[in-house]
Amino acid sequence: KNQVEQSPQSLIILEGKNCTLQCNYTVSPFSNLRWYKQDTGRGPVSLTIMTFSENTKSNGRYTATLDADTKQSSLHITASQLSDSASYICVVSDRGSTLGRLYFGRGTQLTVWP
Amino acid sequence: EADIYQTPRYLVIGTGKKITLECSQTMGHDKMYWYQQDPGMELHLIHYSYGVNSTEKGDLSSESTVSRIRTEHFPLTLESARPSHTSQYLCASSELTQGSPLQDPGTEAFFGQGTRLTVV
Repeated sequence: KNQVEQSPQSLIILEGKNCTLQCNYTVSPFSNLRWYKQDTGRGPVSLTIMTFSENTKSNGRYTATLDADTKQSSLHITASQLSDSASYICVVSDRGSTLGRLYFGRGTQLTVWP
Repeated sequence: EADIYQTPRYLVIGTGKKITLECSQTMGHDKMYWYQQDPGMELHLIHYSYGVNSTEKGDLSSESTVSRIRTEHFPLTLESARPSHTSQYLCASSELTQGSPLQDPGTEAFFGQGTRLTVV
């Protein structure tokens, strides 16, 4: 069964600190993995997208890693800001169909305190 | 900023009413999707479309229906709303890749801001 598991479920950190969010998946055949940021009451917004051959990708203070062998990804946030408070969702796409079906994790709820 | 819009943002409606949630995108995307999301839970695909006159049911059973008469619009309709329909509904769109799935690098799905529906 294709699944995406994220940890931790929730995380509280102080402003300025770093944190790392984890994503494990069993989706096969794998096409790509995306990290989305979803503010409360809003739609998800893409942070990074990684394909099979990519190990690391950065977008400002966000750095995503991908280990396709172990089927694990991480999202590292550097020097957190209050505006980073949101749910971070790992989304994996398969390539077994034209649709490129998306499998969503439940997200990690990050809270940044001043 | 993604050019995909949902209306209304919030809706409180009585049981038994018919409602239509609107979704429009100006990016010319062929693929469009409707997801349902309960608080703290993952998104569940309820409907999708490859293009005009194409509609398919997703993974999560839903009593809603959709239509795709124009590329830009993908409205979702509930003929008779019930409290169990209370949820957040998210619309998304993406490009329809022309290559085979093995060559598909994966395209990004752009999401609307969502409609928070409450049925009382």
